[in-house]
Amino acid sequence: EDKVVQSPLSLVVHEGDTVTLNCSYEVTNFRSLLWYKQEKKAPTFLFMLTSSGIEKKSGRLSSILDKKELFSILNITATQTGDSAVYLCAPCTFSGGGADGLTFGKGTHLIIQP
Amino acid sequence: DSGVTQTPKHLITATGQRVTLRCSPRSGDLSVYWYQQSLDQGLQFLIQYYNGEERAKGNILERFSAQQFPDLHSELNLSSLELGDSALYFCASSFQGAENSPLHFGNGTRLTVT
Repeated sequence: EDKVVQSPLSLVVHEGDTVTLNCSYEVTNFRSLLWYKQEKKAPTFLFMLTSSGIEKKSGRLSSILDKKELFSILNITATQTGDSAVYLCAPCTFSGGGADGLTFGKGTHLIIQP
Repeated sequence: DSGVTQTPKHLITATGQRVTLRCSPRSGDLSVYWYQQSLDQGLQFLIQYYNGEERAKGNILERFSAQQFPDLHSELNLSSLELGDSALYFCASSFQGAENSPLHFGNGTRLTVT
């Protein structure tokens, strides 16, 4: 059975701090790993990682994948209160015949205090 | 706004009833995915359609069924509802499939079974 573990489950920091969110996975037919941010409603797409060791950046957010050790991290620098959300990690698997999908972790609930 | 539209936003119904949730994918997207999100389980994959055909099934109960129509909109039918079916149901779409392009989520339908 596919398994995705995110840590920590919850994190409270002050505005301006840097945080690192972790995701480890054990899935079959791995293709890529995606990160999403979920505030009150729909998860919104952040990153799609397909290659090991290549950092992807978007403003204060960055992420990297290690396909050998089966984990990914999401870094947020100079955190702001608007970064408060649940961050979801989701490996993408492909099982042939066009069947694919994302297996989500339970998320890291990040709270940024002013 | 992800471009994925789900209706209704909220649904309250009694046990034993049947409901239909509707999803319009982003313009041009061929793949539609349904997910269930409850407090203790996180986002659980239910089913995937691609251009009208079922491609993958996840943890979907036999009481639940779905279809994707020629205009690419999709419906999720839930019958013989139980209290435990109360959850947020998300629809997501992608151009071809999660392997090649990220999923974009709608705002969800919150189902409450009383």
